[in-house]
Amino acid sequence: KQEVTQIPAALSVPEGENLVLNCSFTDSAIYNLQWFRQDPGKGLTSLLLIQSSQREQTSGRLNASLDKSSGRSTLYIAASQPGDSATYLCAATGNQFYFGTGTSLTVIP
Amino acid sequence: GAVVSQHPSRVICKSGTSVKIECRSLDFQATTMFWYRQFPKQSLMLMATSNEGSKATYEQGVEKDKFLINHASLTLSTLTVTSAHPEDSSFYICSAKRPHREGADTQYFGPGTRLTVL
Repeated sequence: KQEVTQIPAALSVPEGENLVLNCSFTDSAIYNLQWFRQDPGKGLTSLLLIQSSQREQTSGRLNASLDKSSGRSTLYIAASQPGDSATYLCAATGNQFYFGTGTSLTVIP
Repeated sequence: GAVVSQHPSRVICKSGTSVKIECRSLDFQATTMFWYRQFPKQSLMLMATSNEGSKATYEQGVEKDKFLINHASLTLSTLTVTSAHPEDSSFYICSAKRPHREGADTQYFGPGTRLTVL
């Protein structure tokens, strides 16, 4: 069964810093790797989706990479802002979504 | 992007009562929907896969008689928590699978329903 792990579990950074969130998965036979943002008490907002044939995707200050062979994905956030504070979840997708444990990010003004 | 709605967004009920949560795909037909459960500060755990016109497929450890799923149409799936107890209090999120001709199917997530059982 696919297992997805995210490191770190929590992260606190000052505003303006660049940061990297890590996601690892045990089964490389995935369709996609997707990153989500979840605000407290809210649902999921899709940030980036990397198809299995792709290596990275970019959207604004966000860049996500995928290395299937090593079972890793990273989410890079440039010039962090307080509004980026949220929990970030990665999900490895096959026939179903396997979610990671999440990284709780706090950006301090 | 595609929109999936859930109703209600928040519900408080007494122990022993049943609660129904609706999940709707607003602008596409979804033959498959998924129900997830999320405990505080934990990730989403898949409870069951809802298939239109057939029985739902439940994950190991999920009681099918307690969490009744009905997928009567291509745009609506319902989750009924029967005889709810305080330990059923959680955040329930649904998603709807949208098929694509090319590439893998995509799931779109609802905003979630916060269930509190007193």
